[in-house]
Amino acid sequence: EAQLAESGGGLVQPGGSLRLSCAVSGFTFSSYAMGWVRQAPWKGLEWVTTISASGGTTYYADSVKGRFTISRDNSKRTLFLQMNSLRGDDTAVYYCAKLPPWGSGRYYFDFWGQGSLVTVSS
Amino acid sequence: QSALTQPRSVSGSPGQSGTISCTGTSSDIGEYNSVSWYQHHPGRAPKLIIYDVNKRPLGVPDRFSGSRSGNTASLTISGLQADDEADYYCCSYAGSYSFVFGSGTKVTVL
Repeated sequence: EAQLAESGGGLVQPGGSLRLSCAVSGFTFSSYAMGWVRQAPWKGLEWVTTISASGGTTYYADSVKGRFTISRDNSKRTLFLQMNSLRGDDTAVYYCAKLPPWGSGRYYFDFWGQGSLVTVSS
Repeated sequence: QSALTQPRSVSGSPGQSGTISCTGTSSDIGEYNSVSWYQHHPGRAPKLIIYDVNKRPLGVPDRFSGSRSGNTASLTISGLQADDEADYYCCSYAGSYSFVFGSGTKVTVL
């Protein structure tokens, strides 16, 4: 079964940067689209970004476009989220999630990590 | 894109059924056959319980069922059990590998 484990969260000041990682196992990482979803305190889930299997195509929510960058290293089976110009409303638990095979025409998140807490505060 | 609209809470006694609605627009739920539902126990990873409107992943009990009519999707939990007590989120594909989630519903088993 797919396993995903996020790391890299922590406390950062407004305007600062942080890089999250997501190490995966249990599936052929290079064949699947991946994404990040976040949950702010006392709020619901919010889609953040998606990346294609090869890493060549990326999509972002308007709330993070131009500040966050998703990337992947298929040789190391690792997904990344580079977060710059962080703001208070970026405070959230960030989950990495696996999607069905890229190009399958199926769109949902079938496996999730446990999440990594990012707190933006001075 | 605005969040899909869900009721804040749904409750029922053990053995009863409960239904959660999820209202979107003609640009998301109404356009794509890609509605999914997630069960989220706080502190744990969200779990996919319904995909493609009404399909269940392996291992998800058939007590969970999904449907859609127009711009509104629904999740029905039959025979409520104590372990069903959790937050539930709907999600719709919105084109170009973007997604919109629902506001979330807390299910309480009385």
